[in-house]
Amino acid sequence: DGGITQSPKYLFRKEGQNVTLSCEQNLNHDAMYWYRQDPGQGLRLIYYSQIVNDFQKGDIAEGYSVSREKKESFPLTVTSAQKNPTAFYLCASSGTRNTGELFFGEGSRLTVL
Amino acid sequence: EDKVVQSPLSLVVHEGDTVTLNCSYEVTNFRSLLWYKQEKKAPTFLFMLTSSGIEKKSGRLSSILDKKELFSILNITATQTGDSAVYLCAVDLDKVIFGPGTSLSVIP
Repeated sequence: DGGITQSPKYLFRKEGQNVTLSCEQNLNHDAMYWYRQDPGQGLRLIYYSQIVNDFQKGDIAEGYSVSREKKESFPLTVTSAQKNPTAFYLCASSGTRNTGELFFGEGSRLTVL
Repeated sequence: EDKVVQSPLSLVVHEGDTVTLNCSYEVTNFRSLLWYKQEKKAPTFLFMLTSSGIEKKSGRLSSILDKKELFSILNITATQTGDSAVYLCAVDLDKVIFGPGTSLSVIP
């Protein structure tokens, strides 16, 4: 089945540790996105990539890094520089630029202890 | 700065009521406006709107866009408990940005 797979679903880390969240899609989509969602809030854009080997910062990129070496993969690293990393992280992708519709993964919930 | 605003932020209604959710935006390079429903984890797609004045319908849900006044509404008629969710409005620029969402609770 085509879709987006995020892993892990739940992750705990200690303060000061980097952690990488995986996002893989087999939809052959060009564009991929990472969002952060805090309780009771909407989705805030961290990074996005419209094509392989290229990505742009979103509204809250500080303390995060990404790579887009393959079309199907867009991993997000939450670094120790991110001051408040506990959140729900959603990865999404979209196909042709005409549609705008995003397809989402099931999310990764990160808790910093 | 590009911005998407939604109102109300939360809403409690009884089954059978009709609700109207609002979304306004201030953005450059507008391409389309999107509505999503989020119940637990991943948002699910409801509508994409690109042209003013053309209503999109899906069952009891409908939505319309006004590009002159820069807003959209999402209507839900004859609400059911299964409509309880967060409704997210988003705008597609050269990226997709979201509003804060409206949390809808439908009580029996």
